[in-house]
Amino acid sequence: EAGVVQSPRYKIIEKKQPVAFWCNPISGHNTLYWYLQNLGQGPELLIRYENEEAVDDSQLPKDRFSAERLKGVDSTLKIQPAELGDSAVYLCASSFDRDYEQYFGPGTRLTVT
Amino acid sequence: AQSVTQLDSQVPVFEEAPVELRCNYSSSVSVYLFWYVQYPNQGLQLLLKYLSGSTLVESINGFEAEFNKSQTSFHLRKPSVHISDTAEYFCAVSRSYGGSQGNLIFGKGTKLSVKP
Repeated sequence: EAGVVQSPRYKIIEKKQPVAFWCNPISGHNTLYWYLQNLGQGPELLIRYENEEAVDDSQLPKDRFSAERLKGVDSTLKIQPAELGDSAVYLCASSFDRDYEQYFGPGTRLTVT
Repeated sequence: AQSVTQLDSQVPVFEEAPVELRCNYSSSVSVYLFWYVQYPNQGLQLLLKYLSGSTLVESINGFEAEFNKSQTSFHLRKPSVHISDTAEYFCAVSRSYGGSQGNLIFGKGTKLSVKP
């Protein structure tokens, strides 16, 4: 069984540029999560999807961050414009539903210069 | 709201020695508890979880954790570590019911370094 796929694995951009991260969850998993992991910290939830609906986006900084999960499968997380403080690892996870184990992707390491 | 405190940021230990990674949580509601492991350049993997029932939970690779409600702790232990256990370990909590059930709240992590 393929795991959670994320791309790109690494991204370096200049501040004020836009950037997008892509996540393909495990087949059949209805729930998808985006987490932010700063250096030396644990992951922090940004947004949770159940199918195509964003059921919890309370921690997503909506002035510059946006996300979508079209057709309830793949998801994209976007930052526009990026700031220096956005340098971090962005993790995607999926689960059958919210009562089940979350499987994490390898993450995208973003560096904003 | 829930929070997790991992008391040690780094734990160095010699191979075959026992280890304990400490985790305390704070919550006003019933919670589920988890330990995740992150090996270098890999994603987070679930190591073990407590949902209900027996307070002692075990993983397939020799780790165990005990849920202590009175002390609000969920410490991770292994009686004899191997070099391959070198990784970062994250304790996490989620509500057991309600709208945010399933949302994981993580501690800052403990880096376990096993030396030969």
